Amino acid sequence: GQSLEQPSEVTAVEGAIVQINCTYQTSGFYGLSWYQQHDGGAPTFLSYNALDGLEETGRFSSFLSRSDSYGYLLLQELQMKDSASYFCAVRSPEAGTALIFGKGTTLSVSS
Amino acid sequence: NAGVTQTPKFRVLKTGQSMTLLCAQDMNHEYMYWYRQDPGMGLRLIHYSVGEGTTAKGEVPDGYNVSRLKKQNFLLGLESAAPSQTSVYFCASSYRRGGADEQFFGPGTRLTVL
Repeated sequence: GQSLEQPSEVTAVEGAIVQINCTYQTSGFYGLSWYQQHDGGAPTFLSYNALDGLEETGRFSSFLSRSDSYGYLLLQELQMKDSASYFCAVRSPEAGTALIFGKGTTLSVSS
Repeated sequence: NAGVTQTPKFRVLKTGQSMTLLCAQDMNHEYMYWYRQDPGMGLRLIHYSVGEGTTAKGEVPDGYNVSRLKKQNFLLGLESAAPSQTSVYFCASSYRRGGADEQFFGPGTRLTVL
């Protein structure tokens, strides 16, 4: 089967840098995605890594190591609005383009 | 361009009642999905569709049925609701663009079964 492990909670202060790790086990790997979900809202797509290395999008970066089955989301210059849940996800090998999500990491940013 | 919309936003059912959740997308996406989200469980795939007239089971399909009669709509049915189906239901859609498979989510339906 497939599984994704990520920390349940992370806390940080405004202006800091935080890294959210994700390790995965899956048969047939296509790439690692990250989604953000504010409390009560719809998940929104942040980034996708298919190849090893770092992808940067503004204050957010995502990293993948296929050999280690590991990735992380890096959030820089944290702002209060970054307080949300962050999910890593991989494509389901049995369900085409559908995603299997981790249980999510709740990030709390304080002033 | 409304994106993905879901109807209703909230619903309370009694055990044994039935209902249908409607998902609509105006992005001409081929693929549509139904997920449920429970506290501490992340999002779990219930059913999905890879095109009009096709549906398939996901991780947790028991107790649910779906239909995709039109490309833009994906319906999720509960024939006999149970308290274990109390959850937030999210619909999503996507189309293949490279490998990212970005999924676009609706605002969710909050369902309580008493």
